[in-house]
Amino acid sequence: NAGVTQTPKFQVLKTGQSMTLQCAQDMNHNSMYWYRQDPGMGLRLIYYSASEGTTDKGEVPNGYNVSRLNKREFSLRLESAAPSQTSVYFCASLDRDYGYTFGSGTRLTVV
Amino acid sequence: GDSVTQMEGPVTLSEEAFLTINCTYTATGYPSLFWYVQYPGEGLQLLLKATKADDKGSNKGFEATYRKETTSFHLEKGSVQVSDSAVYFCALTGRRGNQGGKLIFGQGTELSVKP
Repeated sequence: NAGVTQTPKFQVLKTGQSMTLQCAQDMNHNSMYWYRQDPGMGLRLIYYSASEGTTDKGEVPNGYNVSRLNKREFSLRLESAAPSQTSVYFCASLDRDYGYTFGSGTRLTVV
Repeated sequence: GDSVTQMEGPVTLSEEAFLTINCTYTATGYPSLFWYVQYPGEGLQLLLKATKADDKGSNKGFEATYRKETTSFHLEKGSVQVSDSAVYFCALTGRRGNQGGKLIFGQGTELSVKP
């Protein structure tokens, strides 16, 4: 099915560990985004990529890095996880005519 | 910068009640406005949108009108169902070149509909 696929769905990390969240879309969209969702705060933009080969910081980029590997894939890396990064992470891609498509999310807990 | 403010939840209604979730925004220029819905354990789905003043977005019985004079985009439904229980997010995108198409979200409003 066409859409945005995120892996993993759940993850528990210890403080200081690293991990990469994967995101892939098969809709040939140029723009891709990483958001985090925290209670009472809506979704906040971490990083985005307007096109293959470009990335830019969003509202809350500290502690994260991203890679736009190709047009399909946009990964989010936590180099040294902290409890403040416990959150639900959503990847999205954008079509100018049809709007945003969101993945189903990755629930990350840092202990 | 641009921002979105929603009424706080949770909102609890009985089935067939009238729903209003308030949303106001602050933005330069003429943003596009959206309502997204998130069902438990799922990602966000676009519910409706409006791209210019006085536009009315509608879907699945939900409606919202882009009111530039009051900078509002309130979500309404005449008769809610248990299956409408979810978290609703108001969002905007700024003009291209200003916000780069990024979505800016309100904090979300949880709706619970009881039988």
